[in-house]
Amino acid sequence: KAGVTQTPRYLIKTRGQQVTLSCSPISGHRSVSWYQQTPGQGLQFLFEYFSETQRNKGNFPGRFSGRQFSNSRSEMNVSTLELGDSALYLCASSRVNREAGELFFGEGSRLTVL
Amino acid sequence: DAKTTQPPSMDCAEGRAANLPCNHSTISGNEYVYWYRQIHSQGPQYIIHGLKNNETNEMASLIITEDRKSSTLILPHATLRDTAVYYCIVRVKTGTYKYIFGTGTRLKVLA
Repeated sequence: KAGVTQTPRYLIKTRGQQVTLSCSPISGHRSVSWYQQTPGQGLQFLFEYFSETQRNKGNFPGRFSGRQFSNSRSEMNVSTLELGDSALYLCASSRVNREAGELFFGEGSRLTVL
Repeated sequence: DAKTTQPPSMDCAEGRAANLPCNHSTISGNEYVYWYRQIHSQGPQYIIHGLKNNETNEMASLIITEDRKSSTLILPHATLRDTAVYYCIVRVKTGTYKYIFGTGTRLKVLA
């Protein structure tokens, strides 16, 4: 069974540019969550999508956005990049299940903003 | 949202039990506690989860206090490969579910 796949794994951008990251969840998982990880702030929740709708959102500015497609694949976009956006961006997928709900993480996309 | 508090770092001798504490004093009655670990900035890996009762699987045991305000993850025989950052997480129901990560405990297993 294939795991969560994130692309690209590494990328370098300059301030003011925008970036799009992609996440393919495990087959059958309809919920996709995004997290930002930085050394100073740890793992911070960005947003969660289920059935193509954003269901939860963390405390990030509007420059951070996302979407989910009908096949559950998700993308996140960061516009007008700032130096502080340099981070590991992690995607996780899960079934939405009252009893379980285990998150499966991808390996992440490491973004460096120069 | 419920928050978790963990010690920033711990050391454990190889072969001994590693006991990692977590405080989640604001947890609500239907919110699960999850534990994940992260090695070398890879994606976090699921370890175990529980609601009220103690749980055990092939990786670890989870002990939850009766008032549910704290829990302890136990790695019964720590190995060098268990060196990682361990996160205690509360899953909050908000329509679907939201997972609140703490800052984690950096466990170093010593030879």
